[in-house]
Amino acid sequence: DIQMTQSPSSLSASVGDRVTITCRTSQGIRNDLAWYQQKPGKAPERLIYAASSLVSGVPSRFSGSGSGTEFTLTISSLQPEDFATYSCLQWNSYPRTFGQGTKVEIK
Amino acid sequence: EVQLVESGGDLVQPGGSLRLSCAVSGFTFSDFWMDWVRQAPGEGLEWVANINQDGSKKYYVDSVKGRFTVSRDNAKNSVYLQINSLRAEDTAVYYCSRQLELWGQGTKVTVSS
Repeated sequence: DIQMTQSPSSLSASVGDRVTITCRTSQGIRNDLAWYQQKPGKAPERLIYAASSLVSGVPSRFSGSGSGTEFTLTISSLQPEDFATYSCLQWNSYPRTFGQGTKVEIK
Repeated sequence: EVQLVESGGDLVQPGGSLRLSCAVSGFTFSDFWMDWVRQAPGEGLEWVANINQDGSKKYYVDSVKGRFTVSRDNAKNSVYLQINSLRAEDTAVYYCSRQLELWGQGTKVTVSS
């Protein structure tokens, strides 16, 4: 199985801050990675697919980068509605595996 | 409008069984793989299983192999997850998803005596 190491597990930030979340995989997965946002009591919503492609309707302050084994989700200017938990997912091989999640909290 | 609506979650005793259903609308169901993902209370997401367009290919995470069975009925635009020999660690919200792109709201399964 491909192991996902997501960091940090949580962070505190202020509105307007630039936020970066990293996901590392135990083996190369090309760019077969997605990022999700999840708010309490709600289903995850996909933000990024194929490591760097923005899902239609997702604000451009979200961006993804990376390939191989190291990937990054960046929020360029954190907005109040962005406080949530973010998770990465690899779909390169079975079983699909998620990162542990990063909770972004208000500072 | 695309919709995925799960149902069938319940409180069950260890060793029991449940059949989760996911009814979809708003897209051509038979064109897509469908996935099940679960989330235990306070925990992260765990991919459980998926099934291809005609039901001929199915994949599972090791922890559910032999206990969970994914199936679909394209005539009814529905995907199912039969879960047997339930354990406390199966307690979770179960989500169905269209190819991990779009998700339902989830159905809660609680395993407890």
